Amino acid sequence: SQTIHQWPATLVQPVGSPLSLECTVEGTSNPNLYWYRQAAGRGLQLLFYSVGIGQISSEVPQNLSASRPQDRQFILSSKKLLLSDSGFYLCAWSVPGVGSTEAFFGQGTRLTVV
Amino acid sequence: GQNIDQPTEMTATEGAIVQINCTYQTSGFNGLFWYQQHAGEAPTFLSYNVLDGLEEKGRFSSFLSRSKGYSYLLLKELQMKDSASYLCAVRIRGYQKVTFGTGTKLQVIP
Repeated sequence: SQTIHQWPATLVQPVGSPLSLECTVEGTSNPNLYWYRQAAGRGLQLLFYSVGIGQISSEVPQNLSASRPQDRQFILSSKKLLLSDSGFYLCAWSVPGVGSTEAFFGQGTRLTVV
Repeated sequence: GQNIDQPTEMTATEGAIVQINCTYQTSGFNGLFWYQQHAGEAPTFLSYNVLDGLEEKGRFSSFLSRSKGYSYLLLKELQMKDSASYLCAVRIRGYQKVTFGTGTKLQVIP
């Protein structure tokens, strides 16, 4: 069966510090991978998605970046965090190709920038 | 771009039926999803519609009208554990991305 791992679960970082959130998927090959952010009381905002190694599509211009160094690894990074980067970050994967259906979410990382 | 609208909050009584609506405006529509999200947790998949009509799955049903850009999620025999946010999401043809609405927070009261 497929599983998705996301860590850490919670993180408190000072303004201006770097960020690295990691997500890995097991039990599937060449998944579509996604990073979403959910601010308090708001919907899910798509940040990045990837259909293959080294292929990253950015949805929102900001001080975050994403990388996919391996087929089932997706990393969200920042060189300098802002207060506005606080939120609930969710990694997700879906099956690629025609007829693919739902996205499966990791348990999320709650980031607080102080 | 895509525009997805849902009511912000709803309240319903335990044992009752509630309908949560979602309207969308997009080009290249390729499916609509409903997810449930309890506070502080990740969303979990409820239903997927790509053709017009009603899809039933236990106490939950989802309806889609592509010509009207409209969907609803129907929850029957409400239970207290159904208190959660319900997210409507749309997938665009030719892309692998799914865009979410802001969600409807449902409170089930005794």
